[in-house]
Amino acid sequence: KQEVTQIPAALSVPEGENLVLNCSFTDSAIYNLQWFRQDPGKGLTSLLLIQSSQREQTSGRLNASLDKSSGRSTLYIAASQPGDSATYLCAVKVNPSLDQFYFGTGTSLTVIP
Amino acid sequence: DGGITQSPKYLFRKEGQNVTLSCEQNLNHDAMYWYRQDPGQGLRLIYYSQIVNDFQKGDIAEGYSVSREKKESFPLTVTSAQKNPTAFYLCASSMAGVGANVLTFGAGSRLTVL
Repeated sequence: KQEVTQIPAALSVPEGENLVLNCSFTDSAIYNLQWFRQDPGKGLTSLLLIQSSQREQTSGRLNASLDKSSGRSTLYIAASQPGDSATYLCAVKVNPSLDQFYFGTGTSLTVIP
Repeated sequence: DGGITQSPKYLFRKEGQNVTLSCEQNLNHDAMYWYRQDPGQGLRLIYYSQIVNDFQKGDIAEGYSVSREKKESFPLTVTSAQKNPTAFYLCASSMAGVGANVLTFGAGSRLTVL
């Protein structure tokens, strides 16, 4: 069974700093990987989706990379802002025709003004 | 605006009672999901459905039941058989099968057993 891990569980950075969040998965045979943001007590919002054939995706100050062979993905946030404070989760889909996603436990990010 | 509506947002239940959480989507998505989220744990899949009148158990289906009578609706019943039902429940949807499969989530329902 696919296991998805996110380390660290929590991270605090000063405003303006560039930062990297990590996501590791045990089985490299994935179909796609998504990064989500979750604000306290709210649902998840999809940030970026990377297909298994892609190496990275970018949206504004966010850049997600995927290295299937090593079982890792990173989410790079440039010039962090207090509004970026949230929990970030990654999820992998392993079977293109079976709609099952495996989620990591998330990294709680605090950006200090 | 298209999206997923979950209700109620907060729900309190006495032990031994069944409760039903509502999930409605107007995104014309084929697949719908129910996840449970507990502090310090990732989302765990309860049930999912790829088409109307069909659904599959996820990793933690015991003590839960679902129905999918309409494409836009996927209600979850938390039965009295669920030993530890206090949690945050999230409903999601996506296009089914091969494809990009971006997941869209509702705002969640928080269930507390008194």
